[in-house]
Amino acid sequence: DADVTQTPRNRITKTGKRIMLECSQTKGHDRMYWYRQDPGLGLRLIYYSFDVKDINKGEISDGYSVSRQAQAKFSLSLESAIPNQTALYFCATSGSAGGILGTDTQYFGPGTRLTVL
Amino acid sequence: QKEVEQNSGPLSVPEGAIASLNCTYSDRVSQSFFWYRQYSGKSPELIMSIYSNGDKEDGRFTAQLNKASQYVSLLIRDSQPSDSATYLCAVNTIQGAQKLVFGQGTRLTINP
Repeated sequence: DADVTQTPRNRITKTGKRIMLECSQTKGHDRMYWYRQDPGLGLRLIYYSFDVKDINKGEISDGYSVSRQAQAKFSLSLESAIPNQTALYFCATSGSAGGILGTDTQYFGPGTRLTVL
Repeated sequence: QKEVEQNSGPLSVPEGAIASLNCTYSDRVSQSFFWYRQYSGKSPELIMSIYSNGDKEDGRFTAQLNKASQYVSLLIRDSQPSDSATYLCAVNTIQGAQKLVFGQGTRLTINP
């Protein structure tokens, strides 16, 4: 079984609909992340969470919200989807190793391809 | 200036040759550097991590880090068609909190 899973894998929705993307992990990691990927723009961080009570905005959080239901679950919501939120969304997890200034490796889920019409 | 910059390519290399991928970063105190490989439509997978100046080798892959020049590279020896993918450079930043910043990726094509 995959260590990081995302549901759904593909979703087509209409403008104005509320959408939730879910991420679960069995790696026992504290840290979880949501990214979106657009052609030519690489991965951009939407939100991240270093533990259940810690939620932080990334560089492109407008129009998105998140919920960390448990250490292993991190959900991303689009409250009112718009076409420019059409993208490939990835969840990632990492441990907290790396020391004071270092960062541990991030492991990615398979992605959710979201299309907003 | 972008925090992490890569040449977007495409970079074409003949099979069996050495592919060289480059990345520069702007945060002088960055300590962790990663190379991910991403096939089209798939998720990024870790190829190499490097934390200290110098070279780190793993099979056909060598990561090189020069913190003074704020430069990290990935060499792929004996390139194979299966190495054709987009390669993402990621660097940690301590601005605000610990997180990774990704470059836009370099698309590599290995020609048989």
